[in-house]
Amino acid sequence: NAGVTQTPKFQVLKTGQSMTLQCAQDMNHEYMSWYRQDPGMGLRLIHYSVGAGITDQGEVPNGYNVSRSTTEDFPLRLLSAAPSQTSVYFCASSYTQGTGELFFGEGSRLTVL
Amino acid sequence: SQQGEEDPQALSIQEGENATMNCSYKTSINNLQWYRQNSGRGLVHLILIRSNEREKHSGRLRVTLDTSKKSSSLLITASRAADTASYFCATAALGKLQFGAGTQVVVTP
Repeated sequence: NAGVTQTPKFQVLKTGQSMTLQCAQDMNHEYMSWYRQDPGMGLRLIHYSVGAGITDQGEVPNGYNVSRSTTEDFPLRLLSAAPSQTSVYFCASSYTQGTGELFFGEGSRLTVL
Repeated sequence: SQQGEEDPQALSIQEGENATMNCSYKTSINNLQWYRQNSGRGLVHLILIRSNEREKHSGRLRVTLDTSKKSSSLLITASRAADTASYFCATAALGKLQFGAGTQVVVTP
């Protein structure tokens, strides 16, 4: 059972570069979300989606874009990376709206120099 | 801004002892959840307690919820070395989950 799969696991970028973090789930979950985890800050919600074609902003959306063209995939795009975006990023999905049990990927560690 | 705040930030115990951590939150919730994160891994869901429930058990885990005090506690009984991890509470409200900063638990043999 794959669950939630994130790629890449590690990435180093230079300031100003762009990249996409991939997230895919095989559980047919309607709800998907992206969080970032920083030391002492817990997890903060970046963007979320309640179904294909529907996305919305979370707590810290600036500098990130998302789209949801299929139920399975929810990529997170950094348009112009900044050192403040150095973090560990987690994708999560749920069979209910965002208040149910979340299933997490293993994380993507991003360093922006 | 964080909804839930865990206390203590860190906890060190010996195998066989019980571990208790608390979570306080600020606004009304639909449910409260606890997650575990092993070092370098994703979060794993442990237990969900609804706002109309006061206590819930799952194996060696016991969760309580006091909505009048806006607080919850997670008790892990008879701790094992494998329980070494960070534990996060997450509060569900307005269609979203908000996480606290977590409690780091170290269980030594």
